[in-house]
Amino acid sequence: GDSVTQMEGPVTLSEEAFLTINCTYTATGYPSLFWYVQYPGEGLQLLLKATKADDKGSNKGFEATYRKETTSFHLEKGSVQVSDSAVYFCALSDLRGGSEKLVFGKGTKLTVNP
Amino acid sequence: DTEVTQTPKHLVMGMTNKKSLKCEQHMGHRAMYWYKQKAKKPPELMFVYSYEKLSINESVPSRFSPECPNSSLLNLHLHALQPEDSALYLCASSQETASGSTDTQYFGPGTRLTVL
Repeated sequence: GDSVTQMEGPVTLSEEAFLTINCTYTATGYPSLFWYVQYPGEGLQLLLKATKADDKGSNKGFEATYRKETTSFHLEKGSVQVSDSAVYFCALSDLRGGSEKLVFGKGTKLTVNP
Repeated sequence: DTEVTQTPKHLVMGMTNKKSLKCEQHMGHRAMYWYKQKAKKPPELMFVYSYEKLSINESVPSRFSPECPNSSLLNLHLHALQPEDSALYLCASSQETASGSTDTQYFGPGTRLTVL
């Protein structure tokens, strides 16, 4: 079945450092790809998404490009802030039974120190 | 507006109690979802409703009983739970696309459930 593999953390960075969180996927079709963020004690928030190859999703300084040739959707940010500390989940959509099922990676915990 | 609301925020219950979790969205989404999330794990899908009909049940024990009374509301009825059912329960909703598939899922803040 479809699956998502993302780099396991935790990741600890200093403020203003460059962030990359790797995500690769296995899918039989052409899924949409997502990054969700979960701040401590909260639900998941959609960070960005891409629906087809070469699409770039971006939001709040974060970017990720849908790379079909390498089956990847790596998350990047040029300069992280303390407020970016959270758990980041890469996910793909798997259409089954007429409804989309999200397949999540295991999550990467990011801590940004001042 | 991409808001999904959930009540209560926290719930503590005994193994003999009956309780319900509630989820509401007013975005006109026709697909709604229940997920269970254990600490330091990704969310696990439990149920999917599409147009108020149950379309996916991920082999969830019968002590969890979902209900979709209308297109804006989703309930999860709990009865005779076990301590290992303690988790964050997340609700999500999404729009149907023209092709019939569903779009991006928007999550609520969750209900933190503790079973004693």
